[in-house]
Amino acid sequence: GAVVSQHPSWVICKSGTSVKIECRSLDFQATTMFWYRQFPKQSLMLMATSNEGSKATYEQGVEKDKFLINHASLTLSTLTVTSAHPEDSSFYICSALGPWGANTGELFFGEGSRLTVL
Amino acid sequence: GNSVTQMEGPVTLSEEAFLTINCTYTATGYPSLFWYVQYPGEGLQLLLKATKADDKGSNKGFEATYRKETTSFHLEKGSVQVSDSAVYFCALRGGTSYGKLTFGQGTILTVHP
Repeated sequence: GAVVSQHPSWVICKSGTSVKIECRSLDFQATTMFWYRQFPKQSLMLMATSNEGSKATYEQGVEKDKFLINHASLTLSTLTVTSAHPEDSSFYICSALGPWGANTGELFFGEGSRLTVL
Repeated sequence: GNSVTQMEGPVTLSEEAFLTINCTYTATGYPSLFWYVQYPGEGLQLLLKATKADDKGSNKGFEATYRKETTSFHLEKGSVQVSDSAVYFCALRGGTSYGKLTFGQGTILTVHP
């Protein structure tokens, strides 16, 4: 099946620094990837849609200058949390539209990356 | 807007017990409904789905029926196993954007031998 992998799975950083999280589709090309954020005991919230070769589309209320998304290749999307603060601490999850694309609309999810900002 | 409400967990069962995890939703139009499962250390995986009213999704012994009259999509399994221990998420997708899933808060299921 289609596999999506995130790295790192866990990161701790100091306030004010930037952190990059990678999302890779390992065995298929993903023209569209999605980034979610999950707070403890809460549901996943869609942050943005990432399309290969174009600018990401952000959901209302998500700061695009804070959460930089780059989808430079068909197998890699990155989320950079810039000038991170403790309130950015969260679980970030990516997903990719599967190899059958819009035909099935099935999404494949990464394992998630837990960010802790001190 | 769209919303999904799941029964709060955690849910703890003995092996071979019957499982129900309730899920109700609020949405305009005719959303598609999903159950995702997340095993420890892994990403979310699609467990089953239903795209229209009265459809029944099923997989690995789990079932859920799309009930428009009660706006529900409850997950059931007749006999759970220890390997079913995981977090279960109910979700809906409205419109045509495949990534715009609205998730419930997740329900932790633990099955004891």
